[in-house]
Amino acid sequence: QITLKESGPTLVKPTQTLTLTCTFSGFSLSTSGVGVGWIRQPPGKALEWLALIYWDDDKRYSPSLKSRLTITKDTSKNQVVLTMTNMDPVDTATYYCAHLMPDDYYFDYWGQGTLVTVSS
Amino acid sequence: QSVLTQPPSASGTPGQRVTISCSGSSSNIGSNYVYWYQQLPGTAPKLLIYRNNQRPSGVPDRFSGSKSGTSASLAISGLRSEDEADYYCAAWDDSLSGPVVFGGGTKLTVL
Repeated sequence: QITLKESGPTLVKPTQTLTLTCTFSGFSLSTSGVGVGWIRQPPGKALEWLALIYWDDDKRYSPSLKSRLTITKDTSKNQVVLTMTNMDPVDTATYYCAHLMPDDYYFDYWGQGTLVTVSS
Repeated sequence: QSVLTQPPSASGTPGQRVTISCSGSSSNIGSNYVYWYQQLPGTAPKLLIYRNNQRPSGVPDRFSGSKSGTSASLAISGLRSEDEADYYCAAWDDSLSGPVVFGGGTKLTVL
């Protein structure tokens, strides 16, 4: 079955760069049509999509955060990495990675999420 | 400010039918499928409805989705206490807002 798990720091300082890793199993990012996305949720607030990476290395970013985000994949390790630069307290959120249904536009499997707090 | 608009809250008593609306535009709901996610307290979102009105296996048929023009709705019939959760609509967006857009979420309270 498909599982995903996020890992990374729980606390980062303002202006620092956040690096999160999504380690998954049950599928391969080298399979046609497959994608992995990142979504975040500030405490008590709504979901916000951040980035997507596809099996063919096509990458998509949230327009409002594009300048700060980089998404990469390591197919051999079954990992997707998201980096976000210049972190600010408003970036405090639970960050989720999720499997994008092949050749469709919804996330059918989600990781448990990881809470990242931005504070000095 | 979310691209898709949902009411912040909804409520109902056990056994009732409730609906949650989701309003978008021609670049998202108007030209693409709508998806619904359920988020129980303290957990990750779970896919509830895909392609406007399709239920993944395991989702009770009490949950149904519909779409008309640039709006969509999630209906929950035979409301149960365990349905108390946050519900989010989502869609693909063909404009610069996308490609993935979510609604602001609706907190459903079972009275």
